[in-house]
Amino acid sequence: AQSVAQPEDQVNVAEGNPLTVKCTYSVSGNPYLFWYVQYPNRGLQFLLKYITGDNLVKGSYGFEAEFNKSQTSFHLKKPSALVSDSALYFCAVRDVNSGYSTLTFGKGTMLLVSP
Amino acid sequence: GAVVSQHPSRVICKSGTSVKIECRSLDFQATTMFWYRQFPKQSLMLMATSNEGSKATYEQGVEKDKFLINHASLTLSTLTVTSAHPEDSSFYICSAGTNGLRGTEAFFGQGTRLTVV
Repeated sequence: AQSVAQPEDQVNVAEGNPLTVKCTYSVSGNPYLFWYVQYPNRGLQFLLKYITGDNLVKGSYGFEAEFNKSQTSFHLKKPSALVSDSALYFCAVRDVNSGYSTLTFGKGTMLLVSP
Repeated sequence: GAVVSQHPSRVICKSGTSVKIECRSLDFQATTMFWYRQFPKQSLMLMATSNEGSKATYEQGVEKDKFLINHASLTLSTLTVTSAHPEDSSFYICSAGTNGLRGTEAFFGQGTRLTVV
């Protein structure tokens, strides 16, 4: 079975400061890892993914994430937060060897960026 | 990226009536579509997976007779909430994938806010 943990319900950061949203995962094989963002009453928007290759993945809107196999983590980061980054962020994982359809989501982390 | 359109974005219905939600892949053929339900401040719960031309596979605990899923074409899947009750009020999200995109991201619709009164 695969699982995702997002240990923080909410992350608060001031605009201009760096932000980190944490994610750890568990899969039996190699993982495909994803980050999505959700704005109120909207669907999920894809931010970035790790499939293979470089552990540091760069995505949309200046976000990046680092895959750390030894720590089974895939934390989302941004060097300088914007107020408009305030939203709900989901980490998701899929086992490479499972059906491609099965994404498991974390419970989500609300990011609040203050002016 | 690929575009998935979900309609309606918001619907209010009376208890006991049925509501249909459409999910369309606009610029690719979606061999598989997924339906999720999201409760306030919670993660997405996969309800069912539908493959074009075959019956949907429902997750444990999801009533297949209440949540009817049809995937009649490679670009359209529908979720019908039958005999809706207030406890069915939720945010429903579809996503779509294709065999050609193995390992890549799923594409999500905008979501549908269902309120049963």
